[in-house]
Formats: sequence, structure tokens, C-alpha cells
Amino acid sequence: DAMVIQNPRYQVTQFGKPVTLSCSQTLNHNVMYWYQQKSSQAPKLLFHYYDKDFNNEADTPDNFQSRRPNTSFCFLDIRSPGLGDAAMYLCATSRDSGTAEQFFGPGTRLTVL
Amino acid sequence: DQQVKQNSPSLSVQEGRISILNCDYTNSMFDYFLWYKKYPAEGPTFLISISSIKDKNEDGRFTVFLNKSAKHLSLHIVPSQPGDSAVYFCAASAMDSSYKLIFGSGTRLLVRP
Repeated sequence: DAMVIQNPRYQVTQFGKPVTLSCSQTLNHNVMYWYQQKSSQAPKLLFHYYDKDFNNEADTPDNFQSRRPNTSFCFLDIRSPGLGDAAMYLCATSRDSGTAEQFFGPGTRLTVL
Repeated sequence: DQQVKQNSPSLSVQEGRISILNCDYTNSMFDYFLWYKKYPAEGPTFLISISSIKDKNEDGRFTVFLNKSAKHLSLHIVPSQPGDSAVYFCAASAMDSSYKLIFGSGTRLLVRP
């Protein structure tokens, strides 16, 4: 089945220790998104790629970076995680931008000790 | 400032009855609205959408109603089934922001057998 895969599902890191979350897709979609969802809050868009074009949200902290080496993979790098970065990180893809349906992965739950 | 609000964190309904989930928004530029459904340990999945040129969209047991003057939309599930038990997210988007999704914080629906 075509899908969006996120690894790992659970990630524990220490305060200030860089961490990378991974997302891959078999849908061959052009657009990949990263969302942050804190407990009982709404998912919030951090950034997205349209093909290789990177689009950062204005309020996304500089501590968060992303890489998309090819169509299938996208990475979220947190350079110096703080306690406030503990959250569920959701990756999503869509065939195109605009109103195209977004397909979500199961998420990676990040714990910062 | 939350632009999309789901004021009921949870809802419990008897199997076979109607479930009504509500969502309010503040940005009058929103012109496309969606509902996503999320089961535990899975990512959100698209359920149904509505454009601002319509006031109703129906798909099987699911109907979304849009009241633009009140900046309110609702999702009706009739009849409700135990398998509908999940978290439901409302999302809104606008053409002038490239249809970036703004999510509500979700409503947890429990359908009792």
C-alpha cells in the first residue's frame, strides 16, 4: 500500500542534543509537510517542500531545519531541543499544493529529558 | 490567537444516534474547510471537505454544513457507529495563504454501543 512512513515512532533525546526525525513516502507526491502537535493542541505547520522548494512558516523557530534529499524522503532536524519542543511531529504529503488532500504519517512522539 | 476553534474537547453519543461536531473560525478569508479523523497511533485521515461557495456537502453518513455569516461549520454523522470513535479535527484554509491548513485542537468522539 502506498503510504507515509515516519521513523522512529518514539524518540527520546536530551536537552540540547540534536535529533533528526525521518519521513518517507511511496505516493510520489510533490509536496511534503512537517507539523508540530503539542498535547491537546492543534497541529501547527512548521514548513513544507514543494518539490525542492523550501517554504518556512514565519513563526517556525530557527532551531528547526528540514532537508529533502529526494522526492521520497524528508527530514526534520532539531538542532538544540528544548523542553518546549516535546511534541508529536507529523509528516504529511500531497500530490500538489492548494486544496489537494494531505496524507499523514502516524507521527513521531519526541520526548526531551 | 486561535483562528480555528473546536470548543468541545469531547463528545459521547449512543450508537445509531446523530453526532454533531462543531467548529468556529475567525478569519473571513478562509474559503476551504476540511474535517480529518484520527485513530490512536495513526495519522489524521481526510474525511470530508467543503468550499465556501457551498453550504452543505454530503458523503454517505457524513455531512458538513457551513454557515459563513456565523463563521461556523459542523460535521454530522448519521447514524453514528462505534467505529466512528476517534478524534476529529476541523481545518480551514485560504487561497491567499496558498491553502495552508489551520487546524482546530480536535474533538474526541466516543460512540457507545
